[in-house]
Order: sequence, then structure tokens, then C-alpha cells
Amino acid sequence: EAGVAQSPRYKIIEKRQSVAFWCNPISGHATLYWYQQILGQGPKLLIQFQNNGVVDDSQLPKDRFSAERLKGVDSTLKIQPAKLEDSAVYLCASSLSGRVGFFGPGTRLTVL
Amino acid sequence: GEDVEQSLFLSVREGDSSVINCTYTDSSSTYLYWYKQEPGAGLQLLTYIFSNMDMKQDQRLTVLLNKKDKHLSLRIADTQTGDSAIYFCAESMPTGNQFYFGTGTSLTVIP
Repeated sequence: EAGVAQSPRYKIIEKRQSVAFWCNPISGHATLYWYQQILGQGPKLLIQFQNNGVVDDSQLPKDRFSAERLKGVDSTLKIQPAKLEDSAVYLCASSLSGRVGFFGPGTRLTVL
Repeated sequence: GEDVEQSLFLSVREGDSSVINCTYTDSSSTYLYWYKQEPGAGLQLLTYIFSNMDMKQDQRLTVLLNKKDKHLSLRIADTQTGDSAIYFCAESMPTGNQFYFGTGTSLTVIP
């Protein structure tokens, strides 16, 4: 079974630029999560989708972050404009029933 | 469901057992998980336990759950250098199916 795929693996941008991350969950997994992991911390939930609907985006900084999962499969997370404090690893995870989450390798973002 | 705590560092000698501890505050947790994160990698699910269980064993891994004290532990028997990583405990809630993570414990295995 293929795992959660994410791209790109690394991204370096300057502050105020835009960036987008892509995630392809495990086939058949209805729930998709985006997490932000700042160096030295545990992952923090940004947004959770159930199929193509948003379940929880309470921790998403909506003035600059947006995410979509239009067809209920792949998802993109966008930051516009980026700030220095957005430097982190962005992890995508998917789950079949909410019981177990499988994580992708993450995208390491560096904002200069 | 968002207050999950772990000690930051643990150092053990190769061949010894490692015990990584975690405390959580929300008694309505449904599942509790242990994830492993190696440098530059994503989170790898190691094992998980349903909240009505006390113990789960999977090869070198033993998970103990003390629901009264809201304490979860992961024991790694015969710890190897390849076990060096950061270990996160996480809990999920019956509603919302969200995962809340601890701060992670950095395990260093000394050859």
C-alpha cells in the first residue's frame, strides 16, 4: 500500500513570497490533516478535512494560510505571504476512520 | 485534549531497555499512539492502544496505559542504535478524530 505522498520535500523562499504544498493521501482515506511542526516542537494541527469538507480549521491563520481538497482526494496548502515564523515542517496525514493517522514525509519550509 | 506532556530527553546504552513516558489530561481520549520521527523524516506510527486496554505488546515494544493516572509509557526492549529518534505520544478524541501530540522525547542510544 502506498503511503502519504507530499511535495516538494524542501522549499526555500523569501518572506512575503507565496508557496504551495501538495499532499496525496492513502487511497480511500476520507480524513486528511495538515500539521505544522516547528523545530523542537510536536506537530500542531492546522486543518482537518473529511472528504472535501473542512472539519476543523480553528488553528489555521486564515489571513495568510489557505487549504483546499476540492475532489476529496489530493489537497494543497498555501501560504501567502510567508513570514519568517512560518519556517517549519508541514506534515500531511490521512486516516481511514480517524483511528490511526499515517503521515507523509513532510515539506521543510525555510523562509529567509 | 490538547495537553500532552513528555520528558524531553532520554539516554540509554545499547542493549538496555528504554522507557518513554507521557501524560495526558483528557480522559475522553479514544486511542493513544506512539510515533517515531528520525531526523529529516516524517512521523512513523509505531503502535497504538485503545483507551480501554491496559497493555499492548508488539515485538520489542510494550505500551502500558494507566487510565487512572492518565499515564502512557512505551518500553523498547534491547534498544538498538537505530532506535535513536524523537518519540511522540499522541491522543485522539471521540469527536473530530483529531490527533494531539506531545512535545516529543529525544532518545539517544549510546553504543
